[in-house]
Amino acid sequence: NAGVTQTPKFQVLKTGQSMTLQCAQDMNHEYMSWYRQDPGMGLRLIHYSVGAGITDQGEVPNGYNVSRSTTEDFPLRLLSAAPSQTSVYFCASSYGLAGGGGKNIQYFGAGTRLSVL
Amino acid sequence: KNEVEQSPQNLTAQEGEFITINCSYSVGISALHWLQQHPGGGIVSLFMLSSGKKKHGRLIATINIQEKHSSLHITASHPRDSAVYICAVPSYNTDKLIFGTGTRLQVFP
Repeated sequence: NAGVTQTPKFQVLKTGQSMTLQCAQDMNHEYMSWYRQDPGMGLRLIHYSVGAGITDQGEVPNGYNVSRSTTEDFPLRLLSAAPSQTSVYFCASSYGLAGGGGKNIQYFGAGTRLSVL
Repeated sequence: KNEVEQSPQNLTAQEGEFITINCSYSVGISALHWLQQHPGGGIVSLFMLSSGKKKHGRLIATINIQEKHSSLHITASHPRDSAVYICAVPSYNTDKLIFGTGTRLQVFP
């Protein structure tokens, strides 16, 4: 099993460009999420999904869009990149909310380092 | 909102030393997670615990639910333990986690 696969690993964008960060998992997990990690701050939740067709906003959703058409894939779209979106992005998945009660182990992708100039 | 505080922020140690990293949170939780972020950036789950103590190799995690406090201990530390250790708690007992800012550990030979 590959686990959680993120692509690309590195990306440089110019202000105003758009792009999609890909995330795929092969563990049949219902819950998937996107976090950003900035220096001196903990991981912050951007968007999450509790299953195919269902997404919701996290703590810092502005400037990002997501969709979940399949259980496996959860892409994150930057609509018009801004320098404030320079960060490291992590995708994670876990078995799911139902019955989990916060006790499900989360599996992380390797991260995407994004720079917006 | 549950706040998660970790201490210390940075920690250096000599190989063989006993390490303790602390995590405090502000509201009741069902479980607490400890994660490790390698120098290369990858994040892996170390422990999920809801009471008492768990041990895996040289790593020991404890939690005191009443005091809203958890500790991660590393016995006989080794340079390969150098990493950032992150504490996280569930938001409203869901899979949405709230993360501490991490403790950067460097172990020197």
